[in-house]
Amino acid sequence: GQQVQQSPASLVLQEGENAELQCNFSTSLNSMQWFYQRPGGSLVSLFYNPSGTKHSGRLTSTTVIKERRSSLHISSSQTTDSGTYLCALERSGGSNYKLTFGKGTLLTVTP
Amino acid sequence: AQTIHQWPVAEIKAVGSPLSLGCTIKGKSSPNLYWYWQATGGTLQQLFYSITVGQVESVVQLNLSASRPKDDQFILSTEKLLLSHSGFYLCAWSLGGNERLFFGHGTKLSVL
Repeated sequence: GQQVQQSPASLVLQEGENAELQCNFSTSLNSMQWFYQRPGGSLVSLFYNPSGTKHSGRLTSTTVIKERRSSLHISSSQTTDSGTYLCALERSGGSNYKLTFGKGTLLTVTP
Repeated sequence: AQTIHQWPVAEIKAVGSPLSLGCTIKGKSSPNLYWYWQATGGTLQQLFYSITVGQVESVVQLNLSASRPKDDQFILSTEKLLLSHSGFYLCAWSLGGNERLFFGHGTKLSVL
């Protein structure tokens, strides 16, 4: 089965609203990362967060290993936040050099 | 600061023709290097990784090969392209295993 599941698949917000993106995984992990994929396809690293909570501007990432989930919170969304958000995990016990990606959440922020 | 450069930005190629995509990392010695592929609308899949010059490990078999001729260079190639090779190819680097991953801007490949 799929090791990394992201929800929702897509989300539409009005500018200023908050978003909560989820990433659930079915295996124990060494690390969890969040990326933003621009409409043109390039990826931006948002968080390297194997456990706990991390903040960066309007973004917050929380990984709870025991519950096998990670979340990305976007506060006060802006139209420039539109794009696809991807989580990726490095499985414990597997290769230290392989990341498994989720299918992503497509976020659209309207003015 | 580290920079990662991929070339070309886009390619349109015929089925059966050869392909070579390149990736160069500057500002970091002995990085781990990776190739990823994403079909249109699909999930990112890791193709290859390399932890040192001359050594490349395959993760997914897609009738592609990779080489690392220099510490800062990673090449993805094939002698005969298939229609299924179309998609977006991304090169990435990290300091080591289990470390944050940084991506290049990618190459869009269309095989006709």
